[in-house]
Amino acid sequence: IAGITQAPTSQILAAGRRMTLRCTQDMRHNAMYWYRQDLGLGLRLIHYSNTAGTTGKGEVPDGYSVSRANTDDFPLTLASAVPSQTSVYFCASSVREAPYNEQFFGPGTRLTVL
Amino acid sequence: DQQVKQNSPSLSVQEGRISILNCDYTNSMFDYFLWYKKYPAEGPTFLISISSIKDKNEDGRFTVFLNKSAKHLSLHIVPSQPGDSAVYFCAAIQSNAGGTSYGKLTFGQGTILTVHP
Repeated sequence: IAGITQAPTSQILAAGRRMTLRCTQDMRHNAMYWYRQDLGLGLRLIHYSNTAGTTGKGEVPDGYSVSRANTDDFPLTLASAVPSQTSVYFCASSVREAPYNEQFFGPGTRLTVL
Repeated sequence: DQQVKQNSPSLSVQEGRISILNCDYTNSMFDYFLWYKKYPAEGPTFLISISSIKDKNEDGRFTVFLNKSAKHLSLHIVPSQPGDSAVYFCAAIQSNAGGTSYGKLTFGQGTILTVHP
């Protein structure tokens, strides 16, 4: 593993189903983030974690949950998927929460909810 | 409420010419700004940043200008190359808001840059 990996690459999901998007980084970064990218809206922060064991809500947290049991992993769960959650999801990490450190992004997960 | 706006969805430029991508923001508390570049099927990658205490930052072919009074920043690429064709996102953050704002970038909608050979 080098950098940030996300799984799956893409997924088609029936509405109402539960789904967990996985994110793993091997850079020992303290802070991790989940964004969704939608046409015309750019990237919007869903949830973040400044360090293992802590999480916080971003701009669009409703319908999503996260956990940060260790430094490397930051899974995003959709408890009951809805079509409006169709999007491209990016996980990111940074050395620490300060803005002066750039955020490194994973390759993304394309999710379609039908 | 879109606090960071990129009003041009797309820009087309000839190779060798200058590309200018613009970004406006409304939150006067933003004090650090970043540009990210994104190729299809890849995650965004950091390009260049600028602190609000500066009005210009240069890195090779890329220069970012900040006009705080106008709440406007721009990214200049000179000379433009076909490999620069990508989506460019500007982002902003309020760095001194305490723990609740750390790392929470606010992104613009993105501008698709196409550089023609």
